[in-house]
Amino acid sequence: GAGVSQSPRYKVTKRGQDVALRCDPISGHVSLYWYRQALGQGPEFLTYFNYEAQQDKSGLPNDRFSAERPEGSISTLTIQRTEQRDSAMYRCASSLAERDGYTFGSGTRLTVV
Amino acid sequence: AQTVTQSQPEMSVQEAETVTLSCTYDTSENNYYLFWYKQPPSRQMILVIRQEAYKQQNATENRFSVNFQKAAKSFSLKISDSQLGDTAMYFCAFRSGGSNYKLTFGKGTLLTVNP
Repeated sequence: GAGVSQSPRYKVTKRGQDVALRCDPISGHVSLYWYRQALGQGPEFLTYFNYEAQQDKSGLPNDRFSAERPEGSISTLTIQRTEQRDSAMYRCASSLAERDGYTFGSGTRLTVV
Repeated sequence: AQTVTQSQPEMSVQEAETVTLSCTYDTSENNYYLFWYKQPPSRQMILVIRQEAYKQQNATENRFSVNFQKAAKSFSLKISDSQLGDTAMYFCAFRSGGSNYKLTFGKGTLLTVNP
């Protein structure tokens, strides 16, 4: 596609529910990144993939968070048993190669009530 | 671990004037990349400018330029002829030149351009 597409744009969920956030990167982009941005803060790294391989998941806060990119294109970030502290903007980015600059998506605003 | 510090939470400038946003970082690496991203009210993240640490020449993109001082670990952004559309949150970011390609962001500077 023309840009990095994320869905849904907004998600409100009840505490304890699982959520799945989707990222569709720019066609042909090898590297895909997930970041989380709290209000008034800069984005914080969560994880990244080259093709389907998860290269670094050191930023995932705990084992309720997981991500996959099974076919090296679309990626899903899953948060199990959501908590209020998970409320944030979740951003996906992609790049043609690891060394290239990122293109960010518009993000998914997650609110846990 | 690398850290990125933006010491100015908010700044304002009059339209058509010049403003400089500050950024310092901490790293023990010699090869790395630095970026400025713009986040307007729409909450998009837009790459403004990029600098490779091994290049001594400061990067320039139209009205945007950087002052990269490697020894001082400083990477400031200068916006010339400020326009109303420059109103946004600006984030400085660091990326290692090694095998880890994650970005480390500062907390941002909110820039308001006044008419």
